[in-house]
This record gives sequence, structure tokens and C-alpha cells, in this order.
Amino acid sequence: DVKVTQSSRYLVKRTGEKVFLECVQDMDHENMFWYRQDPGLGLRLIYFSYDVKMKEKGDIPEGYSVSREKKERFSLILESASTNQTSMYLCASSFPSQETQYFGPGTRLLVL
Amino acid sequence: GEDVEQSLFLSVREGDSSVINCTYTDSSSTYLYWYKQEPGAGLQLLTYIFSNMDMKQDQRLTVLLNKKDKHLSLRIADTQTGDSAIYFCAETLSGGYQKVTFGTGTKLQVIP
Repeated sequence: DVKVTQSSRYLVKRTGEKVFLECVQDMDHENMFWYRQDPGLGLRLIYFSYDVKMKEKGDIPEGYSVSREKKERFSLILESASTNQTSMYLCASSFPSQETQYFGPGTRLLVL
Repeated sequence: GEDVEQSLFLSVREGDSSVINCTYTDSSSTYLYWYKQEPGAGLQLLTYIFSNMDMKQDQRLTVLLNKKDKHLSLRIADTQTGDSAIYFCAETLSGGYQKVTFGTGTKLQVIP
């Protein structure tokens, strides 16, 4: 079974803190994705990566950066957390030609 | 640009059929998907349909695609309380990287 894990299920941070969200997949997938999920807005793509050390901006990259040093791990970084980044963050992975993405359980981040 | 729309909420009685609807704007979609998100969990792929098909059936699930009207629906027969979840419609476009555009999600409530 494909497994995508995220380092935390719940996280509480203060405004201005640097926040790291980690995602690990065990299926040797080339593609990895970070989304945020907000009520009424669905999922919005923040960043994605199609190979180690490669990254591409999604639809809402502002305020975020990413790191992909190893194939299995994709990190989302909030350089200086703000209250409008309070959200559910979902990581996903897939093979390049595969029609489906596999999702992690999500990290619910609260920024105070 | 791509846009995928769904109604936000649907309530049905246990044993009835549920029909969740979705409209999309981009006619170059290649795959259209239905994902299910149970409370506190990530998204799980339920089923998908290739854009040259008009129907796909998988046990209690029936997907109908009207490409002319850019309308996708998911019918769940004999809806059970375990079907209560948020259902996301999504599409990928031909060419380029595997970017998936998600709808806003429809929360299905099954009343016993």
C-alpha cells in the first residue's frame, strides 16, 4: 500500500515563527505536492516538485517555500507564519504518468 | 483558466441514492476524478473517468460525464452512514505536468 505520512496532525504556532511541515512517501514517487484546504475553497496547490531539488510554484505560493533534498521527502516552509496561514495542509505524491495522487492525512495548522 | 464547481452540501436518508454534481470549465480535461475525505483524514481516490468515456460503474458508484455540458456527477446507490464525508471533484488537463484542479467539495450528510 502507498503510504504518505505527514510529520504532525496538529500544530499551533505564533505569528512570525518559522514553521516546517514534513511529508514522506514510501512509493518512490517522482511527483510531490503541497495543498492547503480551506472551507468553501477546496484544495489549492501551493507548490509541487517533479524531481529531487526541483520545485514549481502552484496557484498560491506567496508566503511559502519548499525543499526537496531527497526523493521521498518534501518539506513546506512558512518563513514567517501569519494568521491567514491557519489552514489544513495536505501533502500528496504520484508517479509522473499516473492518473491519481495519494494523499497524506493532513496537518491542521493554527497560527495565533 | 480552470474552474471546478460543486454545491457545498447534500443531505440524504440512509438507503436512498445520493447524486453529487460538478461542473468544470476547461474542455481539454483528460481525467476527471472523485475523491472522498472522511473527517480528520486526507483525500482518498474513489474513482476516475477518462474524458472519452461517458459512464463508469464501480459497485455502488456510478460516474456520468456529459462532456458537452462539462458536467460530471457521482451517484452513490443505497447510501450508508459510512458514506458521510466530503466529496471532491477534480480534473487534470492534457499536456504539461500533472496538475490537478479540485472543486470546493460537497459535504454529504447521511441521515439514519
